[in-house]
Amino acid sequence: QVQLVQSGAEVKKPGASVKVSCKASGYTFTSYDINWVRQATGQGLEWMGWMNPNSGNTGYAQKFQGRVTMTRNTSISTAYMELSSLRSEDTAVYYCARYCTGGVRGFWWFDPWGQGTLVTVSS
Amino acid sequence: DIQMTQSPSSLSASVGDRVTITCRASQSISSYLNWYQQKPGKAPKLLIYAASSLQSGVPSRFSGSGSGTDFTLTISSLQPEDFATYYCQQSYSTPPVFGPGTKVDIK
Repeated sequence: QVQLVQSGAEVKKPGASVKVSCKASGYTFTSYDINWVRQATGQGLEWMGWMNPNSGNTGYAQKFQGRVTMTRNTSISTAYMELSSLRSEDTAVYYCARYCTGGVRGFWWFDPWGQGTLVTVSS
Repeated sequence: DIQMTQSPSSLSASVGDRVTITCRASQSISSYLNWYQQKPGKAPKLLIYAASSLQSGVPSRFSGSGSGTDFTLTISSLQPEDFATYYCQQSYSTPPVFGPGTKVDIK
């Protein structure tokens, strides 16, 4: 079945960087964009950006421009999200999600999602 | 950016109840609206895409309707496994924005 499996929880100090991985299985990795969404504890869902695994092209939310980098390793069907200059407000669960499209009108949605990676930023 | 709102923010209901959640966009998004269910400690799960299309494997008690700025998610007969938080998300333009969520808990 289609599955995204993420790396384990991380604890980082303010100012450090974190790199989260997302391993895809059950489909052709290079055929679907991967997006990243984060969720602070008890809060809503915040989109961070996308990456095309085939070309490596990326697009980032303005809020994260300059701090986030999305990459991939196609040989192991894995996407990565690296966030730098971490601050306490970056403490959240980070999700990867597959971008799916359908229909002639360009409808799209996220499915499935990875299980999430908790990143805690604390001194 | 398009803003999304949901109402109510939370509701209490009993098994077997009909539940309706509303989502509103700050501008017209046609039918570019998705619904997700999230249970505590779990990732969101797609329920409905393109405002009214049921994702494969999702029970038929879930349905979506609406277009333009106003949308509805309906659960026709609430089941114990449906107690969760529900999010709408616009897919009309970048950045994709999620609603703040509606928490459905047990009365």
